[in-house]
Amino acid sequence: AQTVTQSQPEMSVQEAETVTLSCTYDTSESDYYLFWYKQPPSRQMILVIRQEAYKQQNATENRFSVNFQKAAKSFSLKISDSQLGDAAMYFCAYRKAAGNKLTFGGGTRVLVKP
Amino acid sequence: EADIYQTPRYLVIGTGKKITLECSQTMGHDKMYWYQQDPGMELHLIHYSYGVNSTEKGDLSSESTVSRIRTEHFPLTLESARPSHTSQYLCASSARVGTDTQYFGPGTRLTVL
Repeated sequence: AQTVTQSQPEMSVQEAETVTLSCTYDTSESDYYLFWYKQPPSRQMILVIRQEAYKQQNATENRFSVNFQKAAKSFSLKISDSQLGDAAMYFCAYRKAAGNKLTFGGGTRVLVKP
Repeated sequence: EADIYQTPRYLVIGTGKKITLECSQTMGHDKMYWYQQDPGMELHLIHYSYGVNSTEKGDLSSESTVSRIRTEHFPLTLESARPSHTSQYLCASSARVGTDTQYFGPGTRLTVL
């Protein structure tokens, strides 16, 4: 069974600084997708960024970028120029390419200090 | 934001009551999902559906049941609510093709007294 581990329960960052969230996963599959989702307090979960395992190039989405290390099964998220609106729970998730189910990590709470 | 809706947003109910949590989406997605999010924030899949008249149990055992009579609608029912059912329930949907990104509803926070 696939597992997703987020080892940092909480991270704090100063506004305009950079923070990196770690995520590791365990799978025997070679083709899969990885996701970072953001869940602001009392608000809807939204997709931040997505990575296809067959792509070597790291995905980027404005201030959000990932460091995908397939051999190490690592998928970290970097938030640059942090803003107050980035404060939220961040979930790493995995899905087999041919599957339907997402497996989530335990989440990392990001606090942004003004 | 994605066009997926859940009602009610908050529900406080007594033990033994029957409840239905509603979820609907207007994106024409074939696949729909129910997740339970516990107080520690971890999400667990409890039900999913590939399309009309298709439902499957997820990774976490749940006493709830689901139905999928219409593509856009995926309600979750608890026949007899108990305090152990207190949790946040998130509905999601995704298209059949492509990268299959799941879009989430706002959630229903259920408290059973």
